[in-house]
Amino acid sequence: DAGVIQSPRHEVTEMGQEVTLRCKPISGHNSLFWYRQTMMRGLELLIYFNNNVPIDDSGMPEDRFSAKMPNASFSTLKIQPSEPRDSAVYFCASTNFRLGQGARGANVLTFGAGSRLTVL
Amino acid sequence: KQEVTQIPAALSVPEGENLVLNCSFTDSAIYNLQWFRQDPGKGLTSLLLIQSSQREQTSGRLNASLDKSSGRSTLYIAASQPGDSATYLCAVRTSGSRLTFGEGTQLTVNP
Repeated sequence: DAGVIQSPRHEVTEMGQEVTLRCKPISGHNSLFWYRQTMMRGLELLIYFNNNVPIDDSGMPEDRFSAKMPNASFSTLKIQPSEPRDSAVYFCASTNFRLGQGARGANVLTFGAGSRLTVL
Repeated sequence: KQEVTQIPAALSVPEGENLVLNCSFTDSAIYNLQWFRQDPGKGLTSLLLIQSSQREQTSGRLNASLDKSSGRSTLYIAASQPGDSATYLCAVRTSGSRLTFGEGTQLTVNP
């Protein structure tokens, strides 16, 4: 398995531009998470999906942020318009969430390599 | 609201030393607790996952314990090596699929 795949790995853009980050979760995983990491605030959960349905988007900073998961193998996080304070590393993660112990590997959260966003 | 705290924030030890990283959480109603490692500029790598019904998990030189009632977990690293240098984060799963992360312990193992 190639793991969780994120693109782009790095993006530099100007303030006001639209940014779209992409994520392909591990095949068979039923939960997908978007996190943002900065030095100041550490890892912040932005939104997570269970079976392609957004469950908790309370971490999405404001209306400029939106996330979609049109199918089990693809998700996007969009920022429009982008601002310098959005500069961070954005991580996507997925897991096969099961109540109880479940099968081996269940509930282990696997992260992608991240997308480093710089907004000038 | 679940809060996760990791102590110390940073730790520097000589190679070969055994060490313990601490994680505490405020809400003991958890499904599981997971320890991660993050190298500079990289994503997080899962090290160990302990279910709420378990007391400990071991993988190689790593041993993680869980005391749910007191809201604590420790990650024990035996015979530390320079390659263990990284930031170690713990995360607890409470309601649904949500994980709450600590701020991490930055470990440096000096040769």
